[in-house]
Amino acid sequence: EVQLVESGGGLVKPGGSLRLSCAASGFTFSSYSMNWVRQAPGKGLEWVSSISSSSSYIYYADSVKGRFTISRDNAKNSLYLQMNSLRAEDTAVYYCARAVDSSGYYYVLNYWGQGTLVTVSS
Amino acid sequence: QSALTQPASVSGSPGQSITISCTGTSSDVGGYNYVSWYQQHPGKAPKLMIYDVSNRPSGVSNRFSGSKSGNTASLTISGLQAEDEADYYCSSYTSSSTPVFGGGTKLTVL
Repeated sequence: EVQLVESGGGLVKPGGSLRLSCAASGFTFSSYSMNWVRQAPGKGLEWVSSISSSSSYIYYADSVKGRFTISRDNAKNSLYLQMNSLRAEDTAVYYCARAVDSSGYYYVLNYWGQGTLVTVSS
Repeated sequence: QSALTQPASVSGSPGQSITISCTGTSSDVGGYNYVSWYQQHPGKAPKLMIYDVSNRPSGVSNRFSGSKSGNTASLTISGLQAEDEADYYCSSYTSSSTPVFGGGTKLTVL
């Protein structure tokens, strides 16, 4: 059974940093691209970033470019999102999602974690 | 990249059919056959319902279907059931090689 479990969320002050993790199991992690998608409270989905299976292709939403860094460790079956210079508008539930292929730019997301809440507030 | 345009809400009675539209531009919906639809129940993670405009993943009911005409994609749910009540989001590949989601549509089963 495919499982994606996010962790690392919490309360952080504006300008602060946070590192999210996503532990994957039940599939060959190194064969699939991975994504982060967020959802502000009561709002819609917003794609954040993607990384191909071998980390060769990485993409970011304009809203986080230069502040967030996606990475993965295939040996540890883990996906990460380093978030710096956090703003109030980054407050959201952050979902880890697996794509159906390895490319990093085919955004069909067929498995999702339950999400981790990031709150940016003073 | 601006969010795709979806109606805020739609409703229907059990057994009826409803259609949710998703309007973009030639740089996203109109330019590629890479539109997906996701269902999200309150407090839950999204679930993939349709991909590549009209393909259903295994396990998704054939009551769900997708189509596209020009810059507008559509999700149709036939034989509405109470369990279909949820938020629905479309997503499209864009000319920036990144995806964009729609604003979401709340489906109410009367």
